[in-house]
Amino acid sequence: GAGVSQSPSNKVTEKGKDVELRCDPISGHTALYWYRQRLGQGLEFLIYFQGNSAPDKSGLPSDRFSAERTGESVSTLTIQRTQQEDSAVYLCASSSPGTGNEKLFFGSGTQLSVL
Amino acid sequence: GQQVMQIPQYQHVQEGEDFTTYCNSSTTLSNIQWYKQRPGGHPVFLIQLVKSGEVKKQKRLTFQFGEAKKNSSLHITATQTTDVGTYFCAGPRGSNYQLIWGAGTKLIIKP
Repeated sequence: GAGVSQSPSNKVTEKGKDVELRCDPISGHTALYWYRQRLGQGLEFLIYFQGNSAPDKSGLPSDRFSAERTGESVSTLTIQRTQQEDSAVYLCASSSPGTGNEKLFFGSGTQLSVL
Repeated sequence: GQQVMQIPQYQHVQEGEDFTTYCNSSTTLSNIQWYKQRPGGHPVFLIQLVKSGEVKKQKRLTFQFGEAKKNSSLHITATQTTDVGTYFCAGPRGSNYQLIWGAGTKLIIKP
C-alpha cells in the first residue's frame, strides 16, 4: 500500500478481554515500531523490529503485551487481560534505515478504550 | 543509556510571535529528525539533519544541527494557527538504527 495501515482504527473492549492490533507497514521497510501514546503525552516506545535481528522488546510494559512480525511484513500487537490503564492510542511506524533516508512513516493509530 | 532531552515541554505564544524548541542528546548522533504531530493526528516527518552545523529552512521553520552533533533546534518565525501541535526530535541509537525520541514540545497559540 501507499502508507502504513493500522486496524482497527478504534477498539472498545471490556476489562479482562484480549485484543489484537494489526499493522501493515510500507512494502520493503525493514524496520517497524510500536508506540503507545496516552492522551496529551509523548510517544512511549513498546517494541522495535529490524530485519532479521532479534526484536527490542525492552519497552513492553508487562508480560500481558506481546508482538510478532512475519518477516518484513505484517505485525500484530496483542494485549492480554486488558486493564483500564491500557487505554491509549497505539501507533505503528515503519522505515527503511541504513539507506540514507531514515524517516519514519506512521499509521493513523488504533484508539483502544478499555471499559 | 542514550537519552534525548527536549525543552520546553510547553510553549504558549501569541500568534505572530516566534517559537523555539531545543533537543539535546547524551551521545553524538549520526542524524537527527524532527516530526510534527497535530492534535488528534499522528507524527509526520518534517526534516532530517545529517551534517555537523547544518542549517535547513522550510518557509518559516529553521532547523539547526549542532557542531558536535549532540544538539538541535527548531525555530518557527511568526507563528500561525496552523503551527499548533507537538514537535518531536528523534535520533538513532546503536547499529540497528533504533530511534530515540525527545518528549516533545507542545506549541499553544494564546487566544
